[in-house]
Order: sequence, then C-alpha cells, then structure tokens
Amino acid sequence: AQSVTQLGSHVSVSEGALVLLRCNYSSSVPPYLFWYVQYPNQGLQLLLKYTTGATLVKGINGFEAEFKKSETSFHLTKPSAHMSDAAEYFCAVRTDSGGYQKVTFGTGTKLQVIP
Amino acid sequence: DGGITQSPKYLFRKEGQNVTLSCEQNLNHDAMYWYRQDPGQGLRLIYYSQIVNDFQKGDIAEGYSVSREKKESFPLTVTSAQKNPTAFYLCASSMMGQPQHFGDGTRLSIL
Repeated sequence: AQSVTQLGSHVSVSEGALVLLRCNYSSSVPPYLFWYVQYPNQGLQLLLKYTTGATLVKGINGFEAEFKKSETSFHLTKPSAHMSDAAEYFCAVRTDSGGYQKVTFGTGTKLQVIP
Repeated sequence: DGGITQSPKYLFRKEGQNVTLSCEQNLNHDAMYWYRQDPGQGLRLIYYSQIVNDFQKGDIAEGYSVSREKKESFPLTVTSAQKNPTAFYLCASSMMGQPQHFGDGTRLSIL
C-alpha cells in the first residue's frame, strides 16, 4: 500500500519569500514521486518528477524538490515566491505493478502569496 | 497541439438522470483515467483503462460506468445510482512509465 501526506492544507507566504510545501510518502517499493500544480477550474500540470538518479529535482517555474529516502520525504521549494505561484499543489506517488501504474495523490496544499 | 479535451466544462444533472462526461486525447497514450476531486480530499480514482475494450474499477467506482471503444476516447457516465455526484471530474492519460497528463476538468452540479 502507498500513501501521501501533505502537511498543511493552506500555506501563506509573502512575495519574495521562500516557499516550502511538505510531502511525506509511504511505499512498499521504490516510488516515483511527482508534484503537480492546479490553478482554479483547471486540470493538473506537472511541475517536476523524481524517478531514479539525482535526488534533487528541478522543475518548471523555478521549483525544485529533494527526494530523501531516509525521511520518506519529497518537499517542494522555491527560493522566491511570485504572485503567479498562488495555486493548489499536489504531491503524488506512483508504483508500477503488473503493468499498471498506481498513482496516489495527497490532499493538496493551497499556496497564498501575499503582496 | 496534442492534449486532452474534456467536455462540457460545466454540467448539471437532475435527480434520477444519467449524464455522460466526454474525454478525448490525441497524445496516442495507451492508458486513460478518471478522477473525482472534492475539496480537501485530493484526487480519487474512479476507473482506469490500459488498452482499448478493457477497463478496471478504481477506488470509488460505485455509481459510475465507462467505455473504451477507441484509444482516444474514454467517456464517463455518472448514473442515478451515484447519490452525491457534485464534484470536479478530471480525465488523465499516460504512456506506461510516464507521468499522467490531465484535461481541464468538468464541474458537475445537481439541479
């Protein structure tokens, strides 16, 4: 079984401040990890992904995330928040079994950026 | 441009009525998925299909039905048996081993 926990359903930061969105996962097999962003009334857009290799992953719009196996974490960061970053962010874990990709999403974190 | 098209964007259902949500992709992806999104609950899998003419129930399939007669199409029917259908519905597709791509969703409400 796999699960994803996102700490904090709402996070507020000032424009220009560090963004840190937390994600912890559990998985019985090596996971693939993702962060998606969702703007109001739209679908999810892939920000970044970890599959294998380098544990620090860079994504679009200046976001990055670090896979820490010992902490079972995959936190999302951005050094300086921009107003356009206000959205909801979802962490997801995927395991591949029997030809099927099982994807489990976290419950999401809404990011508010204060001018 | 390749992508996933969901229609309609907004849909209203009367009591006892079945409604069908459309999902079409031109990405040549093998797998397609339907998710339901409710505030504070993330995305929950309704049905998925890995190949044409085959589909499997997800975590919350009761009250829903699907078909996969063509690779590019995966319509979802919300039946009258689904007692709480008000939600945002997202369709996704992927190739095996690749991240899922999402459509822009359909918001279903009860009249």
